Amino acid sequence: ETTLAQSPAFMSATPGDKVSISCKASQDIDDDVNWFQQKPGEAPTFIIQEATTLVPGIPRRFSGSGYGTDFTLTIDNIESEDAAYYFCLQHDNFPLTFGGGTKVEIK
Amino acid sequence: EVQLLESGGGLVQPGGSLRLSCAASGFFFSNYAMSWVRQAPGKGLEWVSSINGDAINTYYADSVKGRFTMSRDNSKNMLYLQMNSLRAEDTAVYYCVKDQSGYSFGYFDSWGQGTLVTVSS
Repeated sequence: ETTLAQSPAFMSATPGDKVSISCKASQDIDDDVNWFQQKPGEAPTFIIQEATTLVPGIPRRFSGSGYGTDFTLTIDNIESEDAAYYFCLQHDNFPLTFGGGTKVEIK
Repeated sequence: EVQLLESGGGLVQPGGSLRLSCAASGFFFSNYAMSWVRQAPGKGLEWVSSINGDAINTYYADSVKGRFTMSRDNSKNMLYLQMNSLRAEDTAVYYCVKDQSGYSFGYFDSWGQGTLVTVSS
């Protein structure tokens, strides 16, 4: 089973900041990482696929990078509406596994 | 517009059974893999099971293997999750999730609003 170590678990940012969330896999998974955003009381939303590709309709301030075992979700010029939980998911092998999540608070 | 509407959640005693259903609309159902993902109260996401578009292959998390059965009826645009031998740790909101293609998994591009399953005596 591939485990994903996501960090930090919590972060607080000010509008306009650049924030980065890390997701480290326990083994090489190529670019088979997707990212999801979940706002309070809502179902998750698909935001990044295959580590680096922005899902259509997602603002360009979101970006993804990484390959192999180390992956990063970056939010440039963060806005108040970006307050949410963020989860990485590996789909390289079964069982599919999620990272533990990062709560992003906007001051 | 893609719509996924879950039903069947509720309160059940440990050892009991429940059957979740998901009514899909707005897309050609049989062309897409589907999954169930759950979220325990205040916790993160956990993948439960997936099935490809033609229902030939089904995959399960170790935590539910042998107790849960996922199926689909492409003639009715319905997805199901039969849950037996339920445990307290199965308590969660269960999401019905659509994938981007018939044989890809993890490209969860549409989610239902979820149905709450509570396992408690």
